[in-house]
Amino acid sequence: GNSVTQMEGPVTLSEEAFLTINCTYTATGYPSLFWYVQYPGEGLQLLLKATKADDKGSNKGFEATYRKETTSFHLEKGSVQVSDSAVYFCALTKGGGGFKTIFGAGTRLFVKA
Amino acid sequence: ETGVTQSPTHLIKTRGQQVTLRCSSQSGHNTVSWYQQALGQGPQFIFQYYREEENGRGNFPPRFSGLQFPNYSSELNVNALELDDSALYLCASSTREAGGPQTQYFGPGTRLLVL
Repeated sequence: GNSVTQMEGPVTLSEEAFLTINCTYTATGYPSLFWYVQYPGEGLQLLLKATKADDKGSNKGFEATYRKETTSFHLEKGSVQVSDSAVYFCALTKGGGGFKTIFGAGTRLFVKA
Repeated sequence: ETGVTQSPTHLIKTRGQQVTLRCSSQSGHNTVSWYQQALGQGPQFIFQYYREEENGRGNFPPRFSGLQFPNYSSELNVNALELDDSALYLCASSTREAGGPQTQYFGPGTRLLVL
């Protein structure tokens, strides 16, 4: 079946460090891929998305590229800020029986000043 | 444009009771999905409603049921509550995109504690 695997956290970085959070997926066909962010005490917010192979999603300095050949969608940011501290979820959406979204387990990021 | 709202924000129930959670979708959205997020885990898809009909279901037992109303708001009902039902319940609204997946907008969630 379809699934999403992302690196375990927590990830602790100093401000202005480079961030990578790995995400790989298993799915038939061509799912759409998403990164969501969850700040403490809040619901999920869409961070970025990509709908086909080689697409790059970007938002607020974060980027991720849909790699069909490696079934990956790694999240990167060149310089993190304290305000980026949150839980990040990789997800895929696939049609058939409704557009079901499958989430990874989440990666908690702590950024120190 | 109002976002997705959910009520109540917090709820405490005991085993065996029934609960109803409510969700108002974002203006213009005709699809609502419900997710269960246990502590420290990613959200798990419960089911989706499109134009008042269930349109996809995850691996949840029949005691999890739902409704969608003509104004596209939705309810999640859980009967015979179990301790493991304690979780954050998230509602997400979206609108169909021709030939493609939906971008979902999430509410803040309802935190349910079953004692």
